[in-house]
Amino acid sequence: ILNVEQSPQSLHVQEGDSTNFTCSFPSSNFYALHWYRWETAKSPEALFVMTLNGDEKKKGRISATLNTKEGYSYLYIKGSQPEDSATYLCALGSGGGADGLTFGKGTHLIIQP
Amino acid sequence: GAVVSQHPSRVICKSGTSVKIECRSLDFQATTMFWYRQFPKQSLMLMATSNEGSKATYEQGVEKDKFLINHASLTLSTLTVTSAHPEDSSFYICSAGRPGLANNEQFFGPGTRLTVL
Repeated sequence: ILNVEQSPQSLHVQEGDSTNFTCSFPSSNFYALHWYRWETAKSPEALFVMTLNGDEKKKGRISATLNTKEGYSYLYIKGSQPEDSATYLCALGSGGGADGLTFGKGTHLIIQP
Repeated sequence: GAVVSQHPSRVICKSGTSVKIECRSLDFQATTMFWYRQFPKQSLMLMATSNEGSKATYEQGVEKDKFLINHASLTLSTLTVTSAHPEDSSFYICSAGRPGLANNEQFFGPGTRLTVL
């Protein structure tokens, strides 16, 4: 059973500040790591899929890094805006393309104007 | 592209009734759909994997006779909670995998909040 831990559980950040949070996972049997952004009453939105150790991906002001050897991924948001307020989910894929995902509990981010 | 809809978004029912939740891929054909549920303060937990034209695969601890899954077409999967009880109250969400996608990439619906009285 995979165990995906996310920290912190919640985070209040001032508008304009940058922030980051963590996803930790067992380093063995790694296949793929996913980051999702989930706003209330909407569908989770895929941000990144990462598979290679040392991988770094970027989408606008949001970026993510992956360390499969030590079992963690960081998500960074630069210059936070109110629209960044959401729950950010990390999930692991354990096998091929047809397997379900194992999720962490998420980091609930609130951007204060 | 890759939009998944889910209906209803919210349902309240009496104990003992059955509830059907629909999951549709609107602009692509999904050979595999997944059903998850989330209890308060917990993570999304995979319930079952649904493949078009075949029986669903259930995760350990999920009763297949209670949570009936039908994936009759490449764009529709349904989850029926039979004889629902208050402990089945939860947030149910589906996702769909698009053919050709690797690395478990999935697109999610907006979820269904089920409350059983």
